[in-house]
Amino acid sequence: DAKTTQPPSMDCAEGRAANLPCNHSTISGNEYVYWYRQIHSQGPQYIIHGLKNNETNEMASLIITEDRKSSTLILPHATLRDTAVYYCIVRPYNNNDMRFGAGTRLTVKP
Amino acid sequence: ETGVTQTPRHLVMGMTNKKSLKCEQHLGHNAMYWYKQSAKKPLELMFVYSLEERVENNSVPSRFSPECPNSSHLFLHLHTLQPEDSALYLCASSQESGAVYEQYFGPGTRLTVT
Repeated sequence: DAKTTQPPSMDCAEGRAANLPCNHSTISGNEYVYWYRQIHSQGPQYIIHGLKNNETNEMASLIITEDRKSSTLILPHATLRDTAVYYCIVRPYNNNDMRFGAGTRLTVKP
Repeated sequence: ETGVTQTPRHLVMGMTNKKSLKCEQHLGHNAMYWYKQSAKKPLELMFVYSLEERVENNSVPSRFSPECPNSSHLFLHLHTLQPEDSALYLCASSQESGAVYEQYFGPGTRLTVT
C-alpha cells in the first residue's frame, strides 16, 4: 500500500475553511484516496473518497492534484464539532485492507 | 448512529478471565472487521470477515479468537489476556461490491486488562 504523510496537528478558527493536506507520492493508478475522521473516543467516521477527480459531498470537498501525489480535504466552514483526528488513507481497488496512520489532529478554536 | 453497535462499551477483566465482545451491524453489509487502537498508536487491523469467512488475520495472538456466525454479527472472544492488550476495540462493516466500499465503524469497546 502507498504510504501517506500528514502533518501531526493543525488549528483552524471556527467558521473558516479547514484545509488538511496529505502527501501520497507513491500512489498507484488503481489506488483510491479515502478520508476518515475520529472524534475523541469514538469510532472513525467515513468522510469522502476519490480516485482522480475532485469530489464534494455534504461534509467536505476532496481536491486531488493532477499527478495524484497529494490531496487536500477541505471542510468549508469548520465548527467546534469538527475537532478530531483526520486520517488520509490510500487503498487499492477492490481491497478491504484499510491501513490507518497517525493522522492530523485538527483543533477548531472559537 | 452508524448502524454498527458494540457491546459492552467498557470492560474490565483480569488476566485469567474469559470474555467476549459483540458487534452487530444493521446495514445489510457482507464484510466485518475487528480493529485494535492502543493509546498513541494507529488503528491496527486484526481480522477481516467477508461473506462470513475469515479472509485476513494480521498475526494476532491466539488469545484473541474471532467468530462470525452470520453476516450481521461478529464476536471477539478473549482469554488469558495481558495488560498490554488494554485498548479500544473497534468493529466495522462494509458492503463489498464494485471497486469502492467505505467502512462504517461502531463506537468501540474500551477494554482494560488488570
